[in-house]
Amino acid sequence: QVQLVESGGGLVKPGGSLRLSCAASGFTFSDYYMSWIRQAPGKGLEWVSYISSNVNTVYYADSVKGRFTISRDNAKNSLYLQMNSLRVEDTAVYYCARDLKLWASDFWGQGTLVTVSS
Amino acid sequence: QSALTQPRSVSGSPGQSVTISCTGTSSDVGGYNYVSWYQQHPGKAPKLMIYDVSQRPSGVPDRFSGSKSGNTASLTISGLQSEDETDYYCCSYAGSSVVFGGGTKLTVL
Repeated sequence: QVQLVESGGGLVKPGGSLRLSCAASGFTFSDYYMSWIRQAPGKGLEWVSYISSNVNTVYYADSVKGRFTISRDNAKNSLYLQMNSLRVEDTAVYYCARDLKLWASDFWGQGTLVTVSS
Repeated sequence: QSALTQPRSVSGSPGQSVTISCTGTSSDVGGYNYVSWYQQHPGKAPKLMIYDVSQRPSGVPDRFSGSKSGNTASLTISGLQSEDETDYYCCSYAGSSVVFGGGTKLTVL
């Protein structure tokens, strides 16, 4: 069965960095687009970034552009999100998701919590 | 990348139908037939219920349906059941990006 397991979340100070990972299994990872989507505590969903199956296309939300970098390693069935210059407002649960389409994610991980606080 | 507008809450009685609206602009909802809807129970990951305005992934009951008119998309849930009580989010393609609605809490009375 499809599984997405995020890791790498934690507490970091403003201005710090963190790298999230997402281990995929149960499907042919290299065939699928993937996304990161986040949810601040008690708030709604916010799309963060997307990467195509062959890595040729990446998109970012304006709120993270220039600070976050999405990448993937199809040989390792893994998705990553490098987060630099973190801000308090980046505090959220970060979900890794498999995409049917850029706007439709059909499988989600359980999320990893990132807390940015001094 | 402004958020799509959803009502904060809607309610209905078991067996009834409810509709949740999602209003955007011609740059997102109105410009493409690329709207999705997610259901999210507390503490759980979101679940895709509708994509491409009206398509249901396998396993989603046909009580859930989607439509769109102009800049507004809608999710209709018919034959309401107690397990439908939770949060719903709309989502639209917005040209090299994706925008979500603020979410709607559905209460089954």
